[in-house]
Amino acid sequence: DQQVKQNSPSLSVQEGRISILNCDYTNSMFDYFLWYKKYPAEGPTFLISISSIKDKNEDGRFTVFLNKSAKHLSLHIVPSQPGDSAVYFCAASGQGGSEKLVFGKGTKLTVNP
Amino acid sequence: KAGVTQTPRYLIKTRGQQVTLSCSPISGHRSVSWYQQTPGQGLQFLFEYFSETQRNKGNFPGRFSGRQFSNSRSEMNVSTLELGDSALYLCASSLHGQGSGNTIYFGEGSWLTVV
Repeated sequence: DQQVKQNSPSLSVQEGRISILNCDYTNSMFDYFLWYKKYPAEGPTFLISISSIKDKNEDGRFTVFLNKSAKHLSLHIVPSQPGDSAVYFCAASGQGGSEKLVFGKGTKLTVNP
Repeated sequence: KAGVTQTPRYLIKTRGQQVTLSCSPISGHRSVSWYQQTPGQGLQFLFEYFSETQRNKGNFPGRFSGRQFSNSRSEMNVSTLELGDSALYLCASSLHGQGSGNTIYFGEGSWLTVV
């Protein structure tokens, strides 16, 4: 049973436009969410996180939105740059037996010049 | 501040052999987790160690094992290697673990090829 789902395996956008990566989760015990970026042959790099007490968190060009009622979060990248081309993983963790960090399968973002 | 260090970066092993991978966490981090990444499968959780004790375990066979030392360094071992064990093995460290509010930081990974 996949508790964290990234339903789009790939996404292609033009440089300068907005990239929106989506993530859905099923476990209502999850209360902390993270996004990681991964280049080929490298380890994932932490990008941004959000706690369930918030519905938005920004860090420069990256913004994460959380909709708890829909169990959905999204990562917005504005403006997108070619260097953003990578695989993006959504991850979630919680409390009360849900302490294990669970990852989605990733979305490959390609930003075209 | 040094990041998570994994050794070796690349290795090739033969079916039936065993392999040991090493991970040095960020200084001060007491939790070390291991993940396997294969094409199309995302990041599969292997196990987590905290203060030398295994705290969480994923759904992998007993051929996959690990340990953590008193200095928080960790090793994972895979015995009786199979072709399907070819993957990128990632180590991640954090201050307190994987639960709510904690961020884990990954190393560069160890690429294992089984032939």
